Amino acid sequence: AQSVTQPDIHITVSEGASLELRCNYSYGATPYLFWYVQSPGQGLQLLLKYFSGDTLVQGIKGFEAEFKRSQSSFNLRKPSVHWSDAAEYFCAVEDFGNEKLTFGTGTRLTIIP
Amino acid sequence: EAGVAQSPRYKIIEKRQSVAFWCNPISGHATLYWYQQILGQGPKLLIQFQNNGVVDDSQLPKDRFSAERLKGVDSTLKIQPAKLEDSAVYLCASSLDKWGQEYNEQFFGPGTRLTVL
Repeated sequence: AQSVTQPDIHITVSEGASLELRCNYSYGATPYLFWYVQSPGQGLQLLLKYFSGDTLVQGIKGFEAEFKRSQSSFNLRKPSVHWSDAAEYFCAVEDFGNEKLTFGTGTRLTIIP
Repeated sequence: EAGVAQSPRYKIIEKRQSVAFWCNPISGHATLYWYQQILGQGPKLLIQFQNNGVVDDSQLPKDRFSAERLKGVDSTLKIQPAKLEDSAVYLCASSLDKWGQEYNEQFFGPGTRLTVL
């Protein structure tokens, strides 16, 4: 069965600094990979997804992620964070074709002025 | 376009009581999901419906949890009787399930936060 690991439970970043959130997956084939963001009291919102092709994918809100098959990683990046980026971020993997998402445990992002 | 609606937003009950959550998916979305998100964990799929049929309920604790989706639109998730470990946020999501599309994005509701005392 597939699994997702997000090694960082909590990250604190200064506003304007760059950000990288780590995600490692375990899956037999090339998975579908996703990053979601969850703001307090809100549902999950899809930031970006990777299915195939270009390993660097662009998402909403200025986020991007890079798929590295050799490292089984799909890290999320943003060059300059804004206070509004403070939220919980979840990496997820989908079993090919069945639309069943397996989520990581999440990384809570705190932004300091 | 209206998003996925859920109610209530918060619920506090005592153990052994029963509780029900309601979800109204985005109009036209054939597939509906219920997830359980325990504090400090990612969401875990409980049950997936396509129209009013169950696609996957392998992770639903059927001795106490039940779900239905009458007429293939709204859905209700029930817990009876509740246990302390059921304290969590219950998320509902829906997707369009458009034939031939590579991926049908899941859209999530705001969730119902359940506290069992």
